[in-house]
Amino acid sequence: AQSVTQLGSHVSVSEGALVLLRCNYSSSVPPYLFWYVQYPNQGLQLLLKYTSAATLVKGINGFEAEFKKSETSFHLTKPSAHMSDAAEYFCAVSPSGNTGKLIFGQGTTLQVKP
Amino acid sequence: KAGVTQTPRYLIKTRGQQVTLSCSPISGHRSVSWYQQTPGQGLQFLFEYFSETQRNKGNFPGRFSGRQFSNSRSEMNVSTLELGDSALYLCASSLAISRFNYGYTFGSGTRLTVV
Repeated sequence: AQSVTQLGSHVSVSEGALVLLRCNYSSSVPPYLFWYVQYPNQGLQLLLKYTSAATLVKGINGFEAEFKKSETSFHLTKPSAHMSDAAEYFCAVSPSGNTGKLIFGQGTTLQVKP
Repeated sequence: KAGVTQTPRYLIKTRGQQVTLSCSPISGHRSVSWYQQTPGQGLQFLFEYFSETQRNKGNFPGRFSGRQFSNSRSEMNVSTLELGDSALYLCASSLAISRFNYGYTFGSGTRLTVV
C-alpha cells in the first residue's frame, strides 16, 4: 500500500531563511505527488504537483520540490520564507491507476518568526 | 471562474441525527472526492464520484454515503452521527480527463460539530 511520511510535524524558520519541508513516499509504481497548503479555517490549495515530467517542479509562491526516486523523496523548498508562508503543508500521493484518491501525510506546520 | 463550493460552512448536530453536506465542483469538472480531516487522523479519503457513479471508496463505515447528480454536484450523508464524526469535511473536484495534469481543487470545507 502506498503511504506518505512527512518528517517533522512542526518546522520553525526565521523570515528570509530557507524553508525545507520533508516528504517521503512508499510506492511500488511511479507515483504522482502533490504538495498542498492549508491556512486556518480554509481548504487545501495546490502548491505544485509531480506527474513524471521534470523532476524539479516549480509551484506557486516561490515553492519548488524535487522528485528523487532513489531516495523516494519529494521535499518542498523555498529560498526565502515570508511571514505569509505560515500555514500547514501536506504532501500527498495519488496511487497509480486509482483515480480521485489522494493519500496524505500527517502535515507539517510551518512557523515563520520575524 | 468559480471554485469548489461547499455548503454549509458550519454545522452543529446532535448525536444520532443525520446530516447532508453539499459540494458544487468547478464547472466542467466531473470527478468529486470527499475527505474527512480531524486532528487525530489527519486527512482521510471517503469516496469519489465520477459521472454519478461511485468510483472509489475509503475505509469508512456504511453510515457515510454519497451521491452525485447529473450536473456533477455531489452530496455526502452521514447517518446516526457520533461524537467522533466531528471534523472538517473537504470536497475536491477534478477534470478527470487527465487527473495527473490538472490535480484536484479543494473547497473550503464544512465544519461539522456533533454534540
